[in-house]
Amino acid sequence: NAGVMQNPRHLVRRRGQEARLRCSPMKGHSHVYWYRQLPEEGLKFMVYLQKENIIDESGMPKERFSAEFPKEGPSILRIQQVVRGDSAAYFCASEGLAGAHFFFGPGTRLTVL
Amino acid sequence: AQTVTQSQPEMSVQEAETVTLSCTYDTSENNYYLFWYKQPPSRQMILVIRQEAYKQQNATENRFSVNFQKAAKSFSLKISDSQLGDTAMYFCAFMKHPNAGGTSYGKLTFGQGTILTVHP
Repeated sequence: NAGVMQNPRHLVRRRGQEARLRCSPMKGHSHVYWYRQLPEEGLKFMVYLQKENIIDESGMPKERFSAEFPKEGPSILRIQQVVRGDSAAYFCASEGLAGAHFFFGPGTRLTVL
Repeated sequence: AQTVTQSQPEMSVQEAETVTLSCTYDTSENNYYLFWYKQPPSRQMILVIRQEAYKQQNATENRFSVNFQKAAKSFSLKISDSQLGDTAMYFCAFMKHPNAGGTSYGKLTFGQGTILTVHP
């Protein structure tokens, strides 16, 4: 049973470009959470999605960031017109039906030049 | 809103000894979960231990145990017989219980982390 998968593991973008981060939850999981970890800090919640629905996006910056979790395919976190401050590790986690059991992916490390 | 505080930025311990990592939190909720996660240099987040607030018994997982003091809002992690592989960043995290309702269900609030180094 494959764990949570994220790709790419490393992503380098120049300022102004777009970054697309993908997350495939564990098989059978339909709840996905995205977190951002800035250097030397803990993880900060960004958005919580279920299939085709955004449940809670209270941690997502209002501009340039968007997330989706389509009926088919992975969840995608999209960052438009990246800036240096977007450089961070982005983690996604999926949650089993039993609740309160979170499985984290290995993260995507975004570097903005 | 909940807050989680880890007051020890760094800790070190000798192999085979015991170390305790501190965590305090602030919440108005009565029912919730608390977690300790380990993040080794690979950056993978690994669940170490989980505690449900309504359970008075402290959770234990092999060499890892917690001291949960609900009234004091304290949730420390004790690692016994420390091993070199325990070297990592450790995060304490809080989550409101699903039964409490609201959209914050499932949202983890993390502390700043404690870097633990185990020396041979």
